[in-house]
Amino acid sequence: DAKTTQPTSMDCAEGRAANLPCNHSTISGNEYVYWYRQIHSQGPQYIIHGLKNNETNEMASLIITEDRKSSTLILPHATLRDTAVYYCIVRVTSGYALNFGKGTSLLVTP
Amino acid sequence: GAVVSQHPSWVICKSGTSVKIECRSLDFQATTMFWYRQFPKQSLMLMATSNEGSKATYEQGVEKDKFLINHASLTLSTLTVTSAHPEDSSFYICSARVQGMDEQYFGPGTRLTVT
Repeated sequence: DAKTTQPTSMDCAEGRAANLPCNHSTISGNEYVYWYRQIHSQGPQYIIHGLKNNETNEMASLIITEDRKSSTLILPHATLRDTAVYYCIVRVTSGYALNFGKGTSLLVTP
Repeated sequence: GAVVSQHPSWVICKSGTSVKIECRSLDFQATTMFWYRQFPKQSLMLMATSNEGSKATYEQGVEKDKFLINHASLTLSTLTVTSAHPEDSSFYICSARVQGMDEQYFGPGTRLTVT
């Protein structure tokens, strides 16, 4: 699996957009970018994934650069409940064990 | 859909005793389940991969005789921590792969405290 690099922590004001970056410069052509999050003392939650096109669902948007070497997860209107550790994972599929790395700890403040 | 449960959600046991953690896929069949462990302020680390009807595959450094995994049905996998010690205190999380699909879903985790 390609290695990913994420900032250790980020802050975001409630109601504002949270933009979480991820670098994956060694990504292969058949690898997807997956995002999960883990709220304190809970199991990880799937957010979104994409291959090369931008993706949007009810939780977030995923913007992948044209060269696929980086991506940004966007939470359009962050709420306090979005405070969590966000993991960017590059994988051929999500059907196998995941290497979570350190992730980004997002703190949404009132 | 695609709900994974774990039981118990938390457990306290004495050093030297054994404790069993259950992982169930409630509304789908899971040929493969994964067990992760998470120490405070650290990320999830894969312990083992469990396939229904066969022996589990353990990651390097995980003692198979200490962490017994049984995956006897398509909806249930169990992790038994034998002769638990305080250093086994951790957050144990399972995930289940949807049969025939490239998706996996995570359980809520089990907090184990060994005193």
